[in-house]
Amino acid sequence: QVQLQESGPGLVKPSETLSLTCSVSGGPISGYYWSWIRQPPGKGLEWIGYIYYSGSTNYNPSLRSRVTISIDTSRNQFSLKLSSVTAADTAVYYCARRMGYMYGEDYWGQGTLVTVSS
Amino acid sequence: EIVLTQSPGTLSLSPGERATLSCRASQSVSSNYLAWYQQKPGQAPRLLIYGASSRATGIPDRFSGSGSGTDFTLTISRLEPEDFAVYYCQQYGSPSWTFGQGTNVEIK
Repeated sequence: QVQLQESGPGLVKPSETLSLTCSVSGGPISGYYWSWIRQPPGKGLEWIGYIYYSGSTNYNPSLRSRVTISIDTSRNQFSLKLSSVTAADTAVYYCARRMGYMYGEDYWGQGTLVTVSS
Repeated sequence: EIVLTQSPGTLSLSPGERATLSCRASQSVSSNYLAWYQQKPGQAPRLLIYGASSRATGIPDRFSGSGSGTDFTLTISRLEPEDFAVYYCQQYGSPSWTFGQGTNVEIK
């Protein structure tokens, strides 16, 4: 059974960089698309971006200048960096897997709350 | 960016009733690349439908998706107690993927 687990600081100061890692177990990281999606408290879902196992990426235009998603196939992990954070970046951050471009995100992590506050 | 508008915002129904949820796109969704997700409080979303009408693995056949172009529908034929949740549509037909704002299906 494929499992995804987000890890990283739960509290980040304004103007700093948010860094999260998603560890994938129970299956390979190769061959799939890997996404980051976030959800501010009490609000809806926002797509952040994805990385294909080969390393190609696609980001939400509204976040593109601040986002970097990377992948480490040797460690079965992929990561998110979001720079210059503000309170508006406070959210539950989810990592997820997509089997292929035509499919949706079929496996999700449990999500991790990141709060931006001084 | 394609904007997805879901309606209604809240749907109040009883178990056993039929639920019809709408997702309208601001422009045509290429290849009908539209997915539906279910989310319960404190949980990650769960994929129900992809490609507008294909059920994901393990999803009961009371869930069905239809539509094309700009108008899409998720139908739950007979609501079970576990189906009361928030439902989101997502388009991935354009390079910038987007979600709708969600429909809350609540117990009447």
